[in-house]
Amino acid sequence: DGGITQSPKYLFRKEGQNVTLSCEQNLNHDAMYWYRQDPGQGLRLIYYSQIVNDFQKGDIAEGYSVSREKKESFPLTVTSAQKNPTAFYLCASSIIGTNTDTQYFGPGTRLTVL
Amino acid sequence: AQTVTQSQPEMSVQEAETVTLSCTYDTSESNYYLFWYKQPPSRQMILVIRQEAYKQQNATENRFSVNFQKAAKSFSLKISDSQLGDTAMYFCAFSPYGQNFVFGPGTRLSVLP
Repeated sequence: DGGITQSPKYLFRKEGQNVTLSCEQNLNHDAMYWYRQDPGQGLRLIYYSQIVNDFQKGDIAEGYSVSREKKESFPLTVTSAQKNPTAFYLCASSIIGTNTDTQYFGPGTRLTVL
Repeated sequence: AQTVTQSQPEMSVQEAETVTLSCTYDTSESNYYLFWYKQPPSRQMILVIRQEAYKQQNATENRFSVNFQKAAKSFSLKISDSQLGDTAMYFCAFSPYGQNFVFGPGTRLSVLP
């Protein structure tokens, strides 16, 4: 089945620790995205990547880092510099170069800082 | 700045009835896409419907349809014959060609038996 997977579903972190959230897609999509979702708010863009080995900051990149070494993978690291990391994190992907521009989402990871 | 507004934080509807969720957006772009996504309690974001701004005809997808008013920058979602499985958060999103998505804050819809 084609789709986007995120792991783990739930993640607990102690203050001061870095954690990495996984996102994998087998849709052969060019672009991948990371969003943060907080209660009562819409999705906010953290980072995005349109091609392997290249990525751009979104609206709230501070305290986060990413890599894009393979087309199908776009892991997100939440560093200790992120002041309030407890949130729901969503990964998405889309095709570049068509007129659809639709983003498809993974099931998300709930991160809780203890 | 481009923004998306959903003025109804919460709504409820009786099963089998019709409900309309409102969305307005602010942009100076002329070419863009508009989307409605559904997020049920599982929190999986699911595409409901998509509209291209250059198309005057309103998009329809089974029980879901939109009322797209480009001049008014309005993009409402109508759900007909509401079902219990329609209970979810609904997000309106806007994407100018080649640019990133802007999401609204969401409307929580409850379908009552």
